[in-house]
Amino acid sequence: TQLLEQSPQFLSIQEGENLTVYCNSSSVFSSLQWYRQEPGEGPVLLVTVVTGGEVKKLKRLTFQFGDARKDSSLHITAAQPGDTGLYLCAGGASYGGGSQGNLIFGKGTKLSVKP
Amino acid sequence: GAGVSQSPRYKVAKRGQDVALRCDPISGHVSLFWYQQALGQGPEFLTYFQNEAQLDKSGLPSDRFFAERPEGSVSTLKIQRTQQEDSAVYLCASSLVGTGQAPYHTGELFFGEGSRLTVL
Repeated sequence: TQLLEQSPQFLSIQEGENLTVYCNSSSVFSSLQWYRQEPGEGPVLLVTVVTGGEVKKLKRLTFQFGDARKDSSLHITAAQPGDTGLYLCAGGASYGGGSQGNLIFGKGTKLSVKP
Repeated sequence: GAGVSQSPRYKVAKRGQDVALRCDPISGHVSLFWYQQALGQGPEFLTYFQNEAQLDKSGLPSDRFFAERPEGSVSTLKIQRTQQEDSAVYLCASSLVGTGQAPYHTGELFFGEGSRLTVL
């Protein structure tokens, strides 16, 4: 069974602080996506990483895919209240098994940024 | 419409009732996914369609859950004899690409707002 573990589960910080959210697995993933979900809405894609060691930047957000394609991190610089939400990582089909149609989600990190 | 549309947004059912949840994916999207999301948790996979074919239903928790997509567009998730543990948000997502296409890259999923089911 492929599992994605996210940490921390909850994070409450002040505006302007930096933070890092982690997504780890013992399985290899062909790709990994990060989504952000606000209350009452569906998740919205932030980024997809596909190459081991890949780093992508989206304004104040930096995403990294581990060299072994088993883990990823999301770093937010100078967090703002608008960054508040549930951050989800999701792994695409892995080599050696598992449904290729299935995106496996972590349990999420609930981020609260206070002004 | 421009996005994935789900109905009803909210459904309250008495234990033992049958419910049907509808998903209208983005026009032309090949793949359609159903996920179940408990409060404060990440989405858990239920089932996946590529066009009208149900390629994976390994996440359906019991035989009370049934999904169909007969014409490769609209999908319905049906839950028979609902139980309290079925209470959750049911998310539908669609994707332009099919899966199994080299190099097994999963395309972006576009999610609907979900159907919140409460079983009393």
